[in-house]
Amino acid sequence: GAVVSQHPSRVICKSGTSVKIECRSLDFQATTMFWYRQFPKQSLMLMATSNEGSKATYEQGVEKDKFLINHASLTLSTLTVTSAHPEDSSFYICSASGQNRGNQPQHFGDGTRLSIL
Amino acid sequence: AQSVAQPEDQVNVAEGNPLTVKCTYSVSGNPYLFWYVQYPNRGLQFLLKYITGDNLVKGSYGFEAEFNKSQTSFHLKKPSALVSDSALYFCAVRASSNTGKLIFGQGTTLQVKP
Repeated sequence: GAVVSQHPSRVICKSGTSVKIECRSLDFQATTMFWYRQFPKQSLMLMATSNEGSKATYEQGVEKDKFLINHASLTLSTLTVTSAHPEDSSFYICSASGQNRGNQPQHFGDGTRLSIL
Repeated sequence: AQSVAQPEDQVNVAEGNPLTVKCTYSVSGNPYLFWYVQYPNRGLQFLLKYITGDNLVKGSYGFEAEFNKSQTSFHLKKPSALVSDSALYFCAVRASSNTGKLIFGQGTTLQVKP
């Protein structure tokens, strides 16, 4: 089946640090990737949708300058949390879908646990 | 607007008993429905989907779901629960035809006790 690799799995860093999270589709071309944030025991909150070669579309209330998304190739998207603060601590999950994405399931990475001290 | 509701925060069943995790939806047009499972500190794993065709959809790990158009429901079922099925389950509906964006329900924690 389709595999999505997300790295790193866990990050602990000081306030003010910028953190980059990578999301790779290992065995398919991901025309679209999605970035989610999940708080404990809650559902996934979509942050943004990124299409290869174009700017990401951010959901309402998500600061695009805070959460920089790059989708430079069909197998890689990155999320950079700039100048992270304790309130940015969360579980971040990416997913990817290929062509005919409406009919196909999204394939999820294993998430990144971000802890800002 | 598309929406999904999972009315139960938690479902408890005994191992070997059948399980049902409920999901209702609201969509304009034909519904594209999905079930995912999440284990602690992991991403979501795809279980099954309904796009069109038979109302009973079979998926991974022995799970199935029944699409009921009149009741706008898509309940997840399994004839015999395993302790290892204990996890967080999400129902989702496709938000739009051209982005593949999903709208997730609140999630239901399934606890299977030995």
